[in-house]
Parts: sequence; structure tokens; C-alpha cells
Amino acid sequence: KNQVEQSPQSLIILEGKNCTLQCNYTVSPFSNLRWYKQDTGRGPVSLTIMTFSENTKSNGRYTATLDADTKQSSLHITASQLSDSASYICVVISSGSARQLTFGSGTQLTVLP
Amino acid sequence: DSGVTQTPKHLITATGQRVTLRCSPRSGDLSVYWYQQSLDQGLQFLIQYYNGEERAKGNILERFSAQQFPDLHSELNLSSLELGDSALYFCASSVTPSSQGGEQYFGPGTRLTVT
Repeated sequence: KNQVEQSPQSLIILEGKNCTLQCNYTVSPFSNLRWYKQDTGRGPVSLTIMTFSENTKSNGRYTATLDADTKQSSLHITASQLSDSASYICVVISSGSARQLTFGSGTQLTVLP
Repeated sequence: DSGVTQTPKHLITATGQRVTLRCSPRSGDLSVYWYQQSLDQGLQFLIQYYNGEERAKGNILERFSAQQFPDLHSELNLSSLELGDSALYFCASSVTPSSQGGEQYFGPGTRLTVT
């Protein structure tokens, strides 16, 4: 069964600090992995898309890594801002006939002043 | 603004009723996805259409159905509604299917409340 697990479930940090969110998956066959940011009550917004051959991808203060061998990904946020407070969702897409999208339950990040 | 529109924004209805949620994808996008997000729950993928045809199915109940029309807009029909169907329903669109790397753009969602 395809699964995506994220940790921690919630995280509180002070403004200006860095943090790393984790995503472990058991999705096969693997097509790509995405990180989304979702503000409360709003639709998710894509941060990064990573394919099998990509190890690192950055989008401003967000840097995602992918280890396809261990089936782990991380999202590192640098110099956090109050506006980073949101849920961060890891999504893994499988290829093949199923073409399923498997969502993690998200990490709720709160950045305090 | 993602360019994906959803109507209505809010919907309140009673148990046993039937409702239709509407989604208009971004101009040029051929794929439409439907998701359900219950209170304090993660996003659940329901179904995907590509250029009018069903492409992938997730955890969609038999009481739910969807279709994509020739103009590429999509409708999600929810019938015999139960209290547990209360949730945010998101639509997303992409040019190419996600399995081929297509970037998904999410709409603002429809909040359904079943009383």
C-alpha cells in the first residue's frame, strides 16, 4: 500500500530560525515528489517538484532534498518568516497504470515573533 | 490567484441531499483533479480527469461522481450526503498529468457543510 509519512506533525520555531521537515514514502513505482504549502482554509501552493534523478532543488528560502534509495525527502526552510506559518504537505506521485497521488498528513509549522 | 475557479465558495445542505460542485481549470490546462479535506485532516485525492476522460481514481465513494465536459470544466456530484461529508473540496488543474510531472494549481476550494 502506498503511504507517505511526515514528521514532525507540528513544529513551533522563532522567526529567523531554520527548520527541516521530513517525508518518508513507500510509493511504487515512483514518478515524482512534491512539497506544497497550504495556508489555513486555502488551496495548497506548490513549492518544489522533484523527479527520481534530482537530489536537491531550491525555491528561494525553501530547499528540498530527495534520496530515492532510502525513499526520504526533506524540506529545509532558511531564515523563517511569520508568513511561513502554514501546513507543509509532501505528495508522492506514482507512475504506471494506477497514477495515484499519495498525500502526507502535513507538518503544521508555526513561526513566532 | 492560481487561475482555477471553484463555485460555490460555501454550501450548506441537509443530510440525504445532493449537491454539485463546479471547477473551471486554468486556461490551457487539460487535467482536473478533485480532493477532499476534512477538518484537521490531510488532503484526500478523489479523482482525476484528462481531456474529458477519467485518468485516475483515488478514495472516491460510490455516492460521489465526477465528469469533465468538452469545455474542460469539471463537476463533482455528491449524493445521499452524510454529516461526515462536510469538508473543503479542492479542485486543481495541470497542463499535463501529474505522473508526467505536470504542475498542479489549486483552486480556492468549496466549503461544504452538511447539517
